[in-house]
Amino acid sequence: EPEVTQTPSHQVTQMGQEVILRCVPISNHLYFYWYRQILGQKVEFLVSFYNNEISEKSEIFDDQFSVERPDGSNFTLKIRSTKLEDSAMYFCASSLTGYYNEQFFGPGTRLTVL
Amino acid sequence: KNEVEQSPQNLTAQEGEFITINCSYSVGISALHWLQQHPGGGIVSLFMLSSGKKKHGRLIATINIQEKHSSLHITASHPRDSAVYICAVIRMSGSRLTFGEGTQLTVNP
Repeated sequence: EPEVTQTPSHQVTQMGQEVILRCVPISNHLYFYWYRQILGQKVEFLVSFYNNEISEKSEIFDDQFSVERPDGSNFTLKIRSTKLEDSAMYFCASSLTGYYNEQFFGPGTRLTVL
Repeated sequence: KNEVEQSPQNLTAQEGEFITINCSYSVGISALHWLQQHPGGGIVSLFMLSSGKKKHGRLIATINIQEKHSSLHITASHPRDSAVYICAVIRMSGSRLTFGEGTQLTVNP
């Protein structure tokens, strides 16, 4: 069964460093998402991406964040200068279309900023 | 106020019990997801529905669009059902998911 994959599973970085989180969505899906979950809190939407551009973003997704689909398979989230409060689990998801379509989640990347 | 409210926050049951988790939302939606999150953190989609009722094994999900309410039922609960169950909605205006706080379910043998 096709699945969303994410690498790495755990990333530890120093405050101020850049990190890139990688996702491989399901191959025929067209909509891609990043969500995050700070420990003990609910999951929050960061950004959605369709047709090589951002379709929606939340207030969390400021200039420190960027997304890219560098090739036909990977979907990346870059945090330019990490802060302690960026420590969270980051989930990638994909769906076939954007509306009334089930989103499939990756296993997550746990980001720890020291 | 949260746009998606779940109750209860925590639920402990004995194996075999019938379980209900409720979700209320305050925005117009195109669909609602029920998701399961295990202790390792991974999220699995259980159901997506926009009307009526869906059943998968021992899990049943219902939604009442007029009342802006959905329920997730687990029949004959088992310790392996222990997880966090999350309600999330897709608003009419986009495709992003807006999540509830989750319900921590513990089923004791």
